[in-house]
Amino acid sequence: DARVTQTPRHKVTEMGQEVTMRCQPILGHNTVFWYRQTMMQGLELLAYFRNRAPLDDSGMPKDRFSAEMPDATLATLKIQPSEPRDSAVYFCASGFRGEGLAGPSTQYFGPGTRLTVL
Amino acid sequence: SQQGEEDPQALSIQEGENATMNCSYKTSINNLQWYRQNSGRGLVHLILIRSNEREKHSGRLRVTLDTSKKSSSLLITASRAADTASYFCATGPYNTDKLIFGTGTRLQVFP
Repeated sequence: DARVTQTPRHKVTEMGQEVTMRCQPILGHNTVFWYRQTMMQGLELLAYFRNRAPLDDSGMPKDRFSAEMPDATLATLKIQPSEPRDSAVYFCASGFRGEGLAGPSTQYFGPGTRLTVL
Repeated sequence: SQQGEEDPQALSIQEGENATMNCSYKTSINNLQWYRQNSGRGLVHLILIRSNEREKHSGRLRVTLDTSKKSSSLLITASRAADTASYFCATGPYNTDKLIFGTGTRLQVFP
Protein backbone atom coordinates (compact mmCIF):
# COMPACT_ATOMS: atom_id res chain seq x y z
CA ASP A 1 0.00 0.00 0.00
CA ALA A 2 1.94 3.03 -1.27
CA ARG A 3 1.87 6.04 1.04
CA VAL A 4 3.55 9.37 1.49
CA THR A 5 5.62 9.33 4.67
CA GLN A 6 6.67 12.32 6.71
CA THR A 7 9.10 12.69 9.56
CA PRO A 8 8.98 13.75 12.29
CA ARG A 9 5.30 13.50 13.10
CA HIS A 10 5.62 15.98 15.94
CA LYS A 11 8.24 18.61 16.64
CA VAL A 12 8.49 21.04 19.52
CA THR A 13 11.28 23.55 19.32
CA GLU A 14 12.28 26.94 20.61
CA MET A 15 12.19 30.15 18.66
CA GLY A 16 15.35 30.66 16.64
CA GLN A 17 16.10 26.97 16.16
CA GLU A 18 16.37 25.29 12.78
CA VAL A 19 13.63 22.84 11.85
CA THR A 20 13.89 20.26 9.10
CA MET A 21 10.89 18.26 7.93
CA ARG A 22 11.25 15.33 5.57
CA CYS A 23 8.94 13.68 3.12
CA GLN A 24 9.16 10.51 1.09
CA PRO A 25 6.78 10.71 -1.87
CA ILE A 26 5.10 7.70 -3.39
CA LEU A 27 7.49 5.85 -5.68
CA GLY A 28 6.92 6.86 -9.29
CA HIS A 29 5.21 10.15 -8.49
CA ASN A 30 6.81 13.15 -10.19
CA THR A 31 5.18 16.05 -8.34
CA VAL A 32 5.70 16.95 -4.68
CA PHE A 33 3.89 19.64 -2.74
CA TRP A 34 4.39 21.27 0.66
CA TYR A 35 1.38 22.73 2.46
CA ARG A 36 0.86 24.42 5.79
CA GLN A 37 -2.42 24.18 7.67
CA THR A 38 -3.54 26.47 10.48
CA MET A 39 -6.92 27.27 11.94
CA MET A 40 -6.69 30.87 10.83
CA GLN A 41 -5.31 30.48 7.29
CA GLY A 42 -6.53 27.03 6.37
CA LEU A 43 -4.46 24.99 3.94
CA GLU A 44 -1.80 27.02 2.13
CA LEU A 45 0.47 25.84 -0.65
CA LEU A 46 4.07 26.69 0.21
CA ALA A 47 6.02 25.16 -2.67
CA TYR A 48 5.95 22.40 -5.22
CA PHE A 49 8.30 20.42 -7.44
CA ARG A 50 7.95 18.51 -10.65
CA ASN A 51 10.64 15.99 -11.58
CA ARG A 52 12.61 17.39 -8.62
CA ALA A 53 12.71 20.90 -10.09
CA PRO A 54 11.13 23.66 -7.99
CA LEU A 55 8.26 25.18 -9.97
CA ASP A 56 6.61 27.50 -7.50
CA ASP A 57 7.61 28.65 -4.04
CA SER A 58 5.64 31.87 -4.04
CA GLY A 59 3.69 30.79 -0.96
CA MET A 60 6.78 30.43 1.13
CA PRO A 61 8.45 33.13 3.28
CA LYS A 62 11.78 33.04 1.48
CA ASP A 63 13.84 34.67 4.16
CA ARG A 64 13.45 31.74 6.51
CA PHE A 65 11.96 28.83 4.56
CA SER A 66 13.64 26.63 1.99
CA ALA A 67 12.44 23.54 0.16
CA GLU A 68 14.59 21.05 -1.71
CA MET A 69 14.46 17.65 -3.34
CA PRO A 70 17.93 16.10 -3.01
CA ASP A 71 16.67 13.03 -4.84
CA ALA A 72 13.44 11.54 -6.11
CA THR A 73 12.74 9.80 -2.81
CA LEU A 74 13.26 12.74 -0.48
CA ALA A 75 11.83 16.23 -0.15
CA THR A 76 12.82 18.56 2.67
CA LEU A 77 11.36 21.72 4.13
CA LYS A 78 13.60 23.80 6.36
CA ILE A 79 12.80 26.72 8.58
CA GLN A 80 15.72 28.75 9.87
CA PRO A 81 15.26 30.52 12.21
CA SER A 82 11.88 29.30 13.39
CA GLU A 83 9.31 31.64 14.93
CA PRO A 84 6.17 31.02 17.00
CA ARG A 85 3.99 32.01 14.03
CA ASP A 86 5.39 29.03 12.14
CA SER A 87 3.49 26.71 14.46
CA ALA A 88 1.21 24.67 12.21
CA VAL A 89 0.76 21.27 10.64
CA TYR A 90 2.94 20.84 7.56
CA PHE A 91 1.77 18.40 4.93
CA CYS A 92 3.62 16.87 2.06
CA ALA A 93 1.69 15.49 -0.90
CA SER A 94 2.74 13.76 -4.08
CA GLY A 95 1.12 13.07 -7.42
CA PHE A 96 1.80 12.01 -10.97
CA ARG A 97 1.54 14.55 -13.74
CA GLY A 98 1.43 12.82 -17.10
CA GLU A 99 2.20 14.39 -20.45
CA GLY A 100 -0.82 16.06 -21.94
CA LEU A 101 -2.67 16.47 -18.66
CA ALA A 102 -4.06 19.99 -18.67
CA GLY A 103 -4.83 20.46 -15.01
CA PRO A 104 -3.88 19.35 -11.50
CA SER A 105 -3.69 15.63 -10.87
CA THR A 106 -4.84 13.80 -7.76
CA GLN A 107 -2.65 14.46 -4.76
CA TYR A 108 -1.80 11.94 -2.06
CA PHE A 109 -1.11 13.43 1.33
CA GLY A 110 1.19 12.35 4.09
CA PRO A 111 0.13 12.32 7.75
CA GLY A 112 1.73 15.71 8.41
CA THR A 113 4.29 17.13 10.83
CA ARG A 114 2.81 19.06 13.73
CA LEU A 115 5.26 21.85 14.54
CA THR A 116 5.15 23.87 17.73
CA VAL A 117 7.58 26.75 18.11
CA LEU A 118 7.78 28.09 21.64
CA SER B 1 -6.55 34.28 -2.49
CA GLN B 2 -8.40 31.04 -2.05
CA GLN B 3 -9.82 29.47 -5.15
CA GLY B 4 -12.59 27.54 -3.45
CA GLU B 5 -15.01 28.54 -0.74
CA GLU B 6 -17.20 25.92 0.88
CA ASP B 7 -20.64 26.38 2.29
CA PRO B 8 -21.77 25.70 4.95
CA GLN B 9 -18.76 26.00 7.25
CA ALA B 10 -20.26 23.38 9.55
CA LEU B 11 -23.02 20.81 9.21
CA SER B 12 -24.53 18.47 11.78
CA ILE B 13 -26.85 15.64 10.79
CA GLN B 14 -28.11 12.27 12.01
CA GLU B 15 -26.92 8.96 10.62
CA GLY B 16 -28.91 8.00 7.57
CA GLU B 17 -29.51 11.57 6.43
CA ASN B 18 -27.94 13.09 3.36
CA ALA B 19 -25.27 15.77 3.59
CA THR B 20 -24.77 18.41 0.93
CA MET B 21 -21.76 20.70 0.74
CA ASN B 22 -21.23 23.44 -1.79
CA CYS B 23 -18.13 24.99 -3.26
CA SER B 24 -17.67 28.15 -5.28
CA TYR B 25 -14.56 29.16 -7.15
CA LYS B 26 -13.31 32.18 -9.00
CA THR B 27 -11.47 31.36 -12.21
CA SER B 28 -11.60 28.91 -15.10
CA ILE B 29 -10.67 25.39 -14.16
CA ASN B 30 -9.57 22.16 -15.76
CA ASN B 31 -10.90 20.01 -12.94
CA LEU B 32 -12.26 20.26 -9.43
CA GLN B 33 -11.45 17.81 -6.68
CA TRP B 34 -12.95 16.95 -3.31
CA TYR B 35 -10.90 15.77 -0.35
CA ARG B 36 -11.75 14.57 3.14
CA GLN B 37 -9.72 15.17 6.27
CA ASN B 38 -10.30 13.29 9.48
CA SER B 39 -9.22 15.09 12.61
CA GLY B 40 -5.45 15.08 12.98
CA ARG B 41 -4.86 13.27 9.69
CA GLY B 42 -3.79 14.07 6.16
CA LEU B 43 -6.24 14.77 3.37
CA VAL B 44 -7.67 11.92 1.35
CA HIS B 45 -8.78 12.32 -2.25
CA LEU B 46 -12.44 11.49 -2.81
CA ILE B 47 -13.33 12.37 -6.37
CA LEU B 48 -12.19 14.41 -9.36
CA ILE B 49 -14.61 15.96 -11.83
CA ARG B 50 -13.42 17.47 -15.10
CA SER B 51 -14.69 20.76 -16.46
CA ASN B 52 -16.56 18.99 -19.28
CA GLU B 53 -18.42 16.76 -16.82
CA ARG B 54 -21.61 17.77 -15.02
CA GLU B 55 -22.04 14.94 -12.56
CA LYS B 56 -20.00 12.09 -11.16
CA HIS B 57 -20.72 9.29 -8.72
CA SER B 58 -18.51 7.22 -6.47
CA GLY B 59 -20.26 4.91 -4.04
CA ARG B 60 -22.38 7.11 -1.75
CA LEU B 61 -20.80 10.28 -3.15
CA ARG B 62 -22.33 12.41 -5.87
CA VAL B 63 -20.55 15.47 -7.21
CA THR B 64 -22.01 18.04 -9.55
CA LEU B 65 -20.22 20.81 -11.40
CA ASP B 66 -21.72 23.94 -12.93
CA THR B 67 -18.97 25.82 -14.72
CA SER B 68 -21.32 28.64 -15.73
CA LYS B 69 -21.94 29.37 -12.04
CA LYS B 70 -18.43 28.37 -10.99
CA SER B 71 -19.83 26.06 -8.36
CA SER B 72 -19.79 22.44 -7.32
CA SER B 73 -21.64 20.36 -4.76
CA LEU B 74 -20.81 17.19 -2.91
CA LEU B 75 -23.66 15.00 -1.74
CA ILE B 76 -23.09 12.17 0.71
CA THR B 77 -26.11 9.89 0.84
CA ALA B 78 -27.14 7.74 3.80
CA SER B 79 -24.44 9.27 6.00
CA ARG B 80 -22.63 7.29 8.68
CA ALA B 81 -20.86 8.34 11.85
CA ALA B 82 -17.59 7.44 10.07
CA ASP B 83 -18.27 10.23 7.55
CA THR B 84 -17.56 12.76 10.30
CA ALA B 85 -14.67 14.82 8.91
CA SER B 86 -13.84 18.07 7.15
CA TYR B 87 -14.46 18.19 3.42
CA PHE B 88 -12.51 20.43 1.05
CA CYS B 89 -12.92 21.33 -2.56
CA ALA B 90 -9.79 22.14 -4.51
CA THR B 91 -9.08 23.44 -7.94
CA GLY B 92 -6.47 25.39 -9.84
CA PRO B 93 -5.65 27.14 -13.07
CA TYR B 94 -5.11 25.38 -16.38
CA ASN B 95 -1.70 23.97 -17.19
CA THR B 96 -0.58 23.79 -13.61
CA ASP B 97 -0.09 21.16 -10.96
CA LYS B 98 -1.27 23.48 -8.22
CA LEU B 99 -4.37 22.88 -6.14
CA ILE B 100 -5.81 25.72 -4.12
CA PHE B 101 -7.96 24.44 -1.30
CA GLY B 102 -11.08 26.04 0.08
CA THR B 103 -11.88 26.65 3.71
CA GLY B 104 -13.68 23.34 4.17
CA THR B 105 -16.97 22.14 5.61
CA ARG B 106 -16.90 20.38 8.97
CA LEU B 107 -19.41 17.56 8.90
CA GLN B 108 -20.60 15.92 12.12
CA VAL B 109 -22.74 12.82 11.79
CA PHE B 110 -24.44 11.73 15.00
CA PRO B 111 -25.24 8.04 15.58
